[in-house]
Amino acid sequence: DGGITQSPKYLFRKEGQNVTLSCEQNLNHDAMYWYRQDPGQGLRLIYYSQIVNDFQKGDIAEGYSVSREKKESFPLTVTSAQKNPTAFYLCASSMTGLAQPQHFGDGTRLSIL
Amino acid sequence: AQKITQTQPGMFVQEKEAVTLDCTYDTSDPSYGLFWYKQPSSGEMIFLIYQGSYDQQNATEGRYSLNFQKARKSANLVISASQLGDSAMYFCAMRSLTQGGSEKLVFGKGTKLTVNP
Repeated sequence: DGGITQSPKYLFRKEGQNVTLSCEQNLNHDAMYWYRQDPGQGLRLIYYSQIVNDFQKGDIAEGYSVSREKKESFPLTVTSAQKNPTAFYLCASSMTGLAQPQHFGDGTRLSIL
Repeated sequence: AQKITQTQPGMFVQEKEAVTLDCTYDTSDPSYGLFWYKQPSSGEMIFLIYQGSYDQQNATEGRYSLNFQKARKSANLVISASQLGDSAMYFCAMRSLTQGGSEKLVFGKGTKLTVNP
């Protein structure tokens, strides 16, 4: 079945540690996105990528980094510079075009130890 | 800047009745798309319905319909014949093109719908 796989489902980070969240899709979508969701809030865009080897900052990119070396993969690294990383992280992908919906993974819940 | 406003933090509806979830948006882009997503307590985001800014007719998908009023910049979701499984968070989102040709999606804060038996 085609879809988006995020791993791990739960992740714990120690102070000063970088952690990487995985996102893989087999939908052959060009565009991929990372969002952060805090309790009782909507989704906020961290980074997005329209094509391989290219990505743009979203609204809250500080303390995060990404790479897009393969079409299928768009990992997100939460660096030690992100002082409040506890949140629910959602990865999405879509075909390009205004009418194309974004398809989401099941999310990764990141907490601080 | 694009903005989505959902003014109802929570809504309650009786099973089998219809409910309207409000969404207003702000954009200066002439071309944009509006989406509604459902987020159950398990966390995944489920795409429900899409409306394009140039679409002449309101979108419908099964029990979901979108009441699109372009002049008022509103795109309300109507759920008919509510079911217990409709209890979830609902998010309105807008997609637009930036000057550089990239696509960006902006979400509202969501409305928590509870369907009572």
